[in-house]
Amino acid sequence: GESVGLHLPTLSVQEGDNSIINCAYSNSASDYFIWYKQESGKGPQFIIDIRSNMDKRQGQRVTVLLNKTVKHLSLQIAATQPGDSAVYFCAEISLAAGGTSYGKLTFGQGTILTVHP
Amino acid sequence: KAGVTQTPRYLIKTRGQQVTLSCSPISGHRSVSWYQQTPGQGLQFLFEYFSETQRNKGNFPGRFSGRQFSNSRSEMNVSTLELGDSALYLCASSTLRDSYNEQFFGPGTRLTVL
Repeated sequence: GESVGLHLPTLSVQEGDNSIINCAYSNSASDYFIWYKQESGKGPQFIIDIRSNMDKRQGQRVTVLLNKTVKHLSLQIAATQPGDSAVYFCAEISLAAGGTSYGKLTFGQGTILTVHP
Repeated sequence: KAGVTQTPRYLIKTRGQQVTLSCSPISGHRSVSWYQQTPGQGLQFLFEYFSETQRNKGNFPGRFSGRQFSNSRSEMNVSTLELGDSALYLCASSTLRDSYNEQFFGPGTRLTVL
């Protein structure tokens, strides 16, 4: 079935470095792509999303890039901090014919980001 | 504004028992979705409710069921528990009836089946 997957299960960086987390997806009909951060003992927290008709979107210290040609999504975190250490998930959602998502997010497997001081 | 709350936070059951988990969405949110998170399968969609109606369902057996009340609070029930049902169960709430909008997740209920 359709799925969203990640290339790398773990990523270790030094504080202050830029981090790039990658995600491959298979559903070309996805309408939105979303990045979530999950810290230990907590539920996923929304970071940023991008609509399928966009290539790039920037937030505070984060940038999401979407390459529909190769079905690839990436999250770039600038000046990574120890507080950024968490599991990062990409997710996709497809809207039904009436434009309703009916809540169904399809998640990738996750990447563990570890930031060393 | 208070976030999504889930009760209980931890639960231990034995095989064959049934369990009910509760989720209170953010005030004003009428859509509630449930997800199961396991190390092997990751985050998987269970079902979504809006205005007491189930609008979408994932690929889980009929032992998994849910409901939503008029105040938007939701419960999910798992009957005849199996060892493989051990997981973190997350609920998420959102505002809009249609289109896409951000889902806010609760901290989850950690279910252990012995």
